[in-house]
Parts: sequence; structure tokens; C-alpha cells
Amino acid sequence: GQSLEQPSEVTAVEGAIVQINCTYQTSGFYGLSWYQQHDGGAPTFLSYNALDGLEETGRFSSFLSRSDSYGYLLLQELQMKDSASYFCAVRGFKTIFGAGTRLFVKA
Amino acid sequence: SAVISQKPSRDICQRGTSLTIQCQVDSQVTMMFWYRQQPGQSLTLIATANQGSEATYESGFVIDKFPISRPNLTFSTLTVSNMSPEDSSIYLCSARDREGNSPLHFGNGTRLTVT
Repeated sequence: GQSLEQPSEVTAVEGAIVQINCTYQTSGFYGLSWYQQHDGGAPTFLSYNALDGLEETGRFSSFLSRSDSYGYLLLQELQMKDSASYFCAVRGFKTIFGAGTRLFVKA
Repeated sequence: SAVISQKPSRDICQRGTSLTIQCQVDSQVTMMFWYRQQPGQSLTLIATANQGSEATYESGFVIDKFPISRPNLTFSTLTVSNMSPEDSSIYLCSARDREGNSPLHFGNGTRLTVT
């Protein structure tokens, strides 16, 4: 079967750096994606890692280690608007989502 | 990237009735999917909507309860049949516009409440 684990909740202050980890078990792995979802909104795509290493997109970076079945999302220079839920998702023929990490950014 | 329009955005329905949710994509897409999300929870895949053939359902979801159509590459419907309060949830349409590393795009969801 497929399963993903990520922390349920993280709290950080404005300007800080936060890392959200994700471990997964799956058959048929193409890559690991990250999505952001604000309350009442639709999930929006942040990043995708198909190969080992770090992908950087502005303040957000994502890392993947296929041998460890592990990845993380790194958010730098946190802003209040970053308060949202963050989902890791395994991409195979279909995309399966983790339970989500709720990020609270405090002033 | 694909823009997905989903309607209705919300509805309140009586138990025993059915609701059909429509999903329109502004460009031809290879894959379309339907997800369900309880508030504050993860997204659960209901089925893959296949163009011109029967949808592929995930474990726990059946065609009689969630019939899906996809008559072309830009449109799909999900029907929630014979509804009960347990069906109250957010239903999300998603699409991938090409193969490879292309991401999933989501509609804004349909918030369904069954009384």
C-alpha cells in the first residue's frame, strides 16, 4: 500500500525558517510534490522532486532522498500569509496525499 | 497551466437525494481526478475520470454511489447519489495537463452539506 507521514502541526515566527518533513512508503514512485492550502481554498502546487536533491523556488525549497523515502519542504523568511496547511504527495500513476501539516506563523 | 472551474461551489441537500458536480477545464488535459476532503483533513482520491470509458475507482468508492462521466478532454461530472449526512464533505476536481512532471491543478471545490 501507500502511506505518507508528516507532522500535524508546526508553529514558527515571522522571518524564521521552518522545515516540514515527509516520509513515504509506496509502490511505483515517480516523485514527491508539495501543495499549499489556505483555509477555504483549493490546494495549490508548490514544488516537485523527481530526483534526489534540492529544488529551490524563491523562498520555498524542497528536498528528496529516494533511497531514504524522505523529503522535506523548507520555507524561509516566513510571512504571516504562509500560515496554511502543507501537503506532501506521492506522484505515481495517481497522486496520493499525506495528512497535511498545519503551519502557524506568529508575529 | 490549466484553470479549473467547478460548480456548484456549495450546496445543502436533503438525505436520499443526489447532486451532480460539474468540472470544466480551460484546456485539454490528459488526466482528471476527483478527491474528497473533510475540513481540516487530507485529500482522499475517489476516482480517476477516464475520457470515453468508465472511471477507475479507489478502494471504498463505487460507481453506484459516485457515478462519474468524462465525455471529452475538458469536462467531467461527479454525482453523489442517495446522499446521507456522512457524505458531507468538500469535493475537489483536479487535472494534470500533460504527462511527466506536470503538477495537479485543482478547482475551488464543492462544499456539500447533507441534512
